[in-house]
Amino acid sequence: ELKVEQNPLFLSMQEGKNYTIYCNYSTTSDRLYWYRQDPGKSLESLFVLLSNGAVKQEGRLMASLDTKARLSTLHITAAVHDLSATYFCAVPGGNYGGSQGNLIFGKGTKLSVKP
Amino acid sequence: DAEITQSPRHKITETGRQVTLACHQTWNHNNMFWYRQDLGHGLRLIHYSYGVQDTNKGEVSDGYSVSRSNTEDLPLTLESAASSQTSVYFCASSAWGNQPQHFGDGTRLSIL
Repeated sequence: ELKVEQNPLFLSMQEGKNYTIYCNYSTTSDRLYWYRQDPGKSLESLFVLLSNGAVKQEGRLMASLDTKARLSTLHITAAVHDLSATYFCAVPGGNYGGSQGNLIFGKGTKLSVKP
Repeated sequence: DAEITQSPRHKITETGRQVTLACHQTWNHNNMFWYRQDLGHGLRLIHYSYGVQDTNKGEVSDGYSVSRSNTEDLPLTLESAASSQTSVYFCASSAWGNQPQHFGDGTRLSIL
């Protein structure tokens, strides 16, 4: 059974600092997705990582994928308050049709950036 | 612009009642999904569909059903609502391949 684990689950940062969120998954996958969710809102797609060594960057966020280690990281550079949200990673869903687009989500990392 | 809409946004009902949550997408996506989101559990897959007349059970399907009579809609039915089904429900859709899922705004369902 596919398991997707994120850590930390809660992260309180100061503005201007750097930090990394980790996403580990238990079975082979060559794809991984990152989403952002603001409180009370929907999920917004951030990154789609499609191969080993893939790196995507947008603004202060950079995501990478190591399929051999079954690990993805979401690195935050010089955090600002606007980045406060919950971040989810998701992996194609194994027993639930992962090859056709189903996703299994981690529990999310709630990021709070304080001035 | 294409979108995915859920209704109602909020609903309160009583245990034992049948409840249907609507999901409508104009992306023309083949794949549609229902998730529930609970504190400490992230998003868990309830049911999914790859096209008209196709439905499949997900990780937490007990007590829920779906039907897919057209491309645009995947309603989720709680046959006999239970307090354990109080949650926020998200519908999503995606095209084939590696494209990310697009999510609706969610339905907050409270069962008393």
